[in-house]
Amino acid sequence: AQSVTQLGSHVSVSEGALVLLRCNYSSSVPPYLFWYVQYPNQGLQLLLKYTSAATLVKGINGFEAEFKKSETSFHLTKPSAHMSDAAEYFCALQRYQGGKLIFGQGTELSVKP
Amino acid sequence: DTEVTQTPKHLVMGMTNKKSLKCEQHMGHRAMYWYKQKAKKPPELMFVYSYEKLSINESVPSRFSPECPNSSLLNLHLHALQPEDSALYLCASSQGRVGGPFTDTQYFGPGTRLTVL
Repeated sequence: AQSVTQLGSHVSVSEGALVLLRCNYSSSVPPYLFWYVQYPNQGLQLLLKYTSAATLVKGINGFEAEFKKSETSFHLTKPSAHMSDAAEYFCALQRYQGGKLIFGQGTELSVKP
Repeated sequence: DTEVTQTPKHLVMGMTNKKSLKCEQHMGHRAMYWYKQKAKKPPELMFVYSYEKLSINESVPSRFSPECPNSSLLNLHLHALQPEDSALYLCASSQGRVGGPFTDTQYFGPGTRLTVL
């Protein structure tokens, strides 16, 4: 069975500080992994995706994530937080050979001035 | 252009009403999805259409009735809903392929906020 675990339902950082949102996955086959962001009262926007090419994936808005198979992790980082980064972030897994999106429970990011 | 549009943005309905949610995309995608999202929770898959045919129904109650009139449009017909059906309803689309719809990136619309009184 596949699953996604996001560590920390809420993360708070100061503006300009490093953002680190943690995602661990469980999958018996090579997964496709995604990070989506959801701003208040909006839909989900794709930040980045891993599809078995480069293990370091760069996305929009300065975010990046590194796929580590040995740690079954796909953590999302941004060097310097901006107030506009405050949102809900979802990590999701999709089976390599097809399968529905399996979402983590989400992490709410707050950015303090 | 990776835009999926949804109308209306907000909808309030009584338990005896019939209403419809609409979703449209012009990316040439052949897979379209309906998700339900409760507050502070991840989206839950409801239905998947692949090449205008219903391919997945995640055991959704019959008071929700999906329809895919063509490759660009997806509707969700609502009838006799319950207050617990109040949620954000999200539409998504992906490239799709004949063998299955799930092997590519899903792009989401802004959602319809539904309130059932």
